[in-house]
Amino acid sequence: GAVVSQHPSRVICKSGTSVKIECRSLDFQATTMFWYRQFPKQSLMLMATSNEGSKATYEQGVEKDKFLINHASLTLSTLTVTSAHPEDSSFYICSAKWTGSNEKLFFGSGTQLSVL
Amino acid sequence: AQTVTQSQPEMSVQEAETVTLSCTYDTSESNYYLFWYKQPPSRQMILVIRQEAYKQQNATENRFSVNFQKAAKSFSLKISDSQLGDTAMYFCAFMKGGLSGTYKYIFGTGTRLKVLA
Repeated sequence: GAVVSQHPSRVICKSGTSVKIECRSLDFQATTMFWYRQFPKQSLMLMATSNEGSKATYEQGVEKDKFLINHASLTLSTLTVTSAHPEDSSFYICSAKWTGSNEKLFFGSGTQLSVL
Repeated sequence: AQTVTQSQPEMSVQEAETVTLSCTYDTSESNYYLFWYKQPPSRQMILVIRQEAYKQQNATENRFSVNFQKAAKSFSLKISDSQLGDTAMYFCAFMKGGLSGTYKYIFGTGTRLKVLA
């Protein structure tokens, strides 16, 4: 199956710093990628839709200035958590839309962000 | 707006037995897709099975099958011959289809399944 690589898998940072998370589709081109946030033992909450070459579409309640998304190529989207605070600590997951014979999403392995 | 409901927060099943996970959804769309994803302790989301709403035939993938009742807006997952490796969180998901679809997934709250040896 298609592979989506997400980096880093775990990051610990100090409050006030910025953290960048990368999401790459390794063997297919993804014009659309999605970023989710997951709290412990809860479901995935969509944060934003990332389209290659255009601005991301953010879900209601998600601060676009806090969570910067860049989708500069057909295989790479990045999420930057700016001026991170402890409440931003969470598990972040990306997914990429596969437009093969059966359209579906493939997910990255997630990034656990801990802000001290 | 679409909603997805999983009414069973936790379930357990004996190894080799069969278990059914429930999912209901609400939508006014006629063209959509339904999915079951598995999230094991590694937290990697893994696609288990996919169903197109226009298909009447229930999807099957080896030991996994669905019971898709479109009129009732029900989409249950049956796992046969349960294995220890099936222990995971299972999420039901809805996606609006068609050219106007944005491919946003709406996830249910999940069912935590534990397979007992």
